[in-house]
Amino acid sequence: IAGITQAPTSQILAAGRRMTLRCTQDMRHNAMYWYRQDLGLGLRLIHYSNTAGTTGKGEVPDGYSVSRANTDDFPLTLASAVPSQTSVYFCASRPGQGSDTQYFGPGTRLTVL
Amino acid sequence: GQNIDQPTEMTATEGAIVQINCTYQTSGFNGLFWYQQHAGEAPTFLSYNVLDGLEEKGRFSSFLSRSKGYSYLLLKELQMKDSASYLCAVVDSNYQLIWGAGTKLIIKP
Repeated sequence: IAGITQAPTSQILAAGRRMTLRCTQDMRHNAMYWYRQDLGLGLRLIHYSNTAGTTGKGEVPDGYSVSRANTDDFPLTLASAVPSQTSVYFCASRPGQGSDTQYFGPGTRLTVL
Repeated sequence: GQNIDQPTEMTATEGAIVQINCTYQTSGFNGLFWYQQHAGEAPTFLSYNVLDGLEEKGRFSSFLSRSKGYSYLLLKELQMKDSASYLCAVVDSNYQLIWGAGTKLIIKP
């Protein structure tokens, strides 16, 4: 059982380039999330999806977009990367929308120059 | 606004006991999570409290007081592998997780 996988593990990107971070889960969880984690700021929610076909904006959605075409995949796209998007990105999922435990992927370390 | 406060950093000695506090002010409350995060790794689930009181799980215990907006994580018999960040997160009225910035715990021999 893989759980949640993310790709790439790390990436250095030139400012202005488009980038898609991939997230796949094999637990058939309904809800999925994208967070960024910056030193001293903790985890901040970018976008979420409560079920396949629906998405919502989190605390810091600007500059990011997501899609949820099926249960397993939840890609995060940076349309035109900026240096302030340098961060560690975590994808997470949980079975439902209540108080279920969230499970995290291993993260993607992104540097925008 | 919603706010979760934790100490930024704590230091403790191997074999000792440490208590990491978390206070919160959120729009609604549907439970509180503690996660552990080792450097360079993903957060992993430690505990969940929704009712007042102490939940014990091996060397780790978590306490909740909803009336005080307060929780703590108690780690006993500290081991070097417990060196990590500990994240407090509250489930708000929309069932979204609101995260604290985390407490970095340093264990010294």
